[in-house]
Amino acid sequence: EAGVAQSPRYKIIEKRQSVAFWCNPISGHATLYWYQQILGQGPKLLIQFQNNGVVDDSQLPKDRFSAERLKGVDSTLKIQPAKLEDSAVYLCASSPDRFNEQFFGPGTRLTVL
Amino acid sequence: GENVEQHPSTLSVQEGDSAVIKCTYSDSASNYFPWYKQELGKRPQLIIDIRSNVGEKKDQRIAVTLNKTAKHFSLHITETQPEDSAVYFCAANRGSYIPTFGRGTSLIVHP
Repeated sequence: EAGVAQSPRYKIIEKRQSVAFWCNPISGHATLYWYQQILGQGPKLLIQFQNNGVVDDSQLPKDRFSAERLKGVDSTLKIQPAKLEDSAVYLCASSPDRFNEQFFGPGTRLTVL
Repeated sequence: GENVEQHPSTLSVQEGDSAVIKCTYSDSASNYFPWYKQELGKRPQLIIDIRSNVGEKKDQRIAVTLNKTAKHFSLHITETQPEDSAVYFCAANRGSYIPTFGRGTSLIVHP
């Protein structure tokens, strides 16, 4: 089966600019996660969707980050405006449901200058 | 919220030796504990997981043990090989299955 797809793979922007990331989960997976992985650290959950509803976004910096999963399939994560500390790899993962293995996408490496 | 501590941050072993990575968690409601392997520049991939109703699980050269009372779980890799070199992450999922990851252990297996 096809894996989790993400785009772009790399993005370089200047601080205060905006950026958007896209994720296409594995077909049929109801649960979708966005993680931020700063170099040398473990992934940190930003937001979790169950179909098109938000399960948890307690660690999402809502003053600058937003995410949506229209129609319960693809998802976009946006940062507006970006800060230097947002430089990280943004990983999308999907799972058949909230109780099983997560499958990760290749990630988007964001560099904020 | 959940807090997951992982040790050591770096582990260097000779090929054929065993490697052990330990994690502790804070939320007694956590009941699902996966371990992920992340090779340089690649995505994390699940290598083994354990649920709170089981004390130990094995899959060929890897095993995971869970001590619910002490709130810690460990990854054991036997007969290590150079291709085992990677960063390993533990995670703990709360009752609502929102995962918290450890900071990772960089395993280096010397030929």
